[in-house]
Amino acid sequence: DGGITQSPKYLFRKEGQNVTLSCEQNLNHDAMYWYRQDPGQGLRLIYYSQIVNDFQKGDIAEGYSVSREKKESFPLTVTSAQKNPTAFYLCASRSNTVSNQPQHFGDGTRLSIL
Amino acid sequence: GDSVTQMEGPVTLSEEAFLTINCTYTATGYPSLFWYVQYPGEGLQLLLKATKADDKGSNKGFEATYRKETTSFHLEKGSVQVSDSAVYFCALSDSIDDKIIFGKGTRLHILP
Repeated sequence: DGGITQSPKYLFRKEGQNVTLSCEQNLNHDAMYWYRQDPGQGLRLIYYSQIVNDFQKGDIAEGYSVSREKKESFPLTVTSAQKNPTAFYLCASRSNTVSNQPQHFGDGTRLSIL
Repeated sequence: GDSVTQMEGPVTLSEEAFLTINCTYTATGYPSLFWYVQYPGEGLQLLLKATKADDKGSNKGFEATYRKETTSFHLEKGSVQVSDSAVYFCALSDSIDDKIIFGKGTRLHILP
């Protein structure tokens, strides 16, 4: 079955530590996205990538970094510069060969501070 | 810029009640419209979509009609179940931009 896999499901970060969240898709989608969701809040866009080796900042990119070396993979690094990283992180992908397609989401990674 | 406004929650209903969750949008182009559902601890799942004016999207008893004249895409269900308890997000995609714009979500509680 095609889909998006996020790992791990739960992640804990110590102060001053960088952590990387994995996102892999086998849907052959060109575009991939990272969102942050805080309790009771909507989605905020962190970074997105429309093609391999290219990505753009979203609305809250500070303290985060990404890479897009392969079409299937779009890992997100939460750096020590992100002072309030506790949140639910969602990865999504989308086909951009046809306009206005819906996004497909992974099951999320919940990040907490130790 | 483009935006989506949906009714604030939480919305609490009894089982078998009629559901409406309002959603209105502003867009410069000709967007596609979506409803997503998020169950506790999970990602978002596409519930239904409509790509042009007067289209009706439907799935699992939920329906929404793309109304260009009122710029609305209200979600309805004739008889809700406890299992429908979740957060519902209205969203739009405009071909001018590669992003999808989400509303803030509406939490729905269904009481048995």
